[in-house]
Amino acid sequence: IAGITQAPTSQILAAGRRMTLRCTQDMRHNAMYWYRQDLGLGLRLIHYSNTAGTTGKGEVPDGYSVSRANTDDFPLTLASAVPSQTSVYFCASSETGNSNQPQHFGDGTRLSIL
Amino acid sequence: LAKTTQPISMDSYEGQEVNITCSHNNIATNDYITWYQQFPSQGPRFIIQGYKTKVTNEVASLFIPADRKSSTLSLPRVSLSDTAVYYCLVGDKRSSNDYKLSFGAGTTVTVRA
Repeated sequence: IAGITQAPTSQILAAGRRMTLRCTQDMRHNAMYWYRQDLGLGLRLIHYSNTAGTTGKGEVPDGYSVSRANTDDFPLTLASAVPSQTSVYFCASSETGNSNQPQHFGDGTRLSIL
Repeated sequence: LAKTTQPISMDSYEGQEVNITCSHNNIATNDYITWYQQFPSQGPRFIIQGYKTKVTNEVASLFIPADRKSSTLSLPRVSLSDTAVYYCLVGDKRSSNDYKLSFGAGTTVTVRA
């Protein structure tokens, strides 16, 4: 079934460690997104990419980096994890970055920073 | 950044109609309004999208007034399986090639028997 694949499903990480969350889509969508979801705050956009080779900052980009070397993959890296980055992370994609394109979401990565 | 405001929670009973209103005063001219549904331990799922007036599909209706500063998601005859968090999403265009999309905090809908 076509869609978004995120890995790992969950992870416990010591503070200060480096971590990369993986996201792959097989729909050949141009735009991809990373969100974090925290209780009471809903989904907040971290970074996005409207097409391969380009990225942009969302609402809460600090402490995170992304790359978009090809259409299918959009990894999110925490260079030095801190406890405030404990969250559920969702990757999404859409045909384009325009708001008339529905986003398709993965099932998330639950990350705990100790 | 275009902000959306929704009620935090709503309770309903099976068979009733549920209406959730989202305020988006700073919506841009070209932005669409999209609603998503999320169940626990899953990613959000697209429900319906519109630009103006009324849109209807097999699961919901979306009402958008002429000024587009708000929108109302209508779920007809809800069942227990409609218990979920519902998010309103509008875009925020900062430049010709720079779109930022932002979700609100969502509305938790609880359907009781």
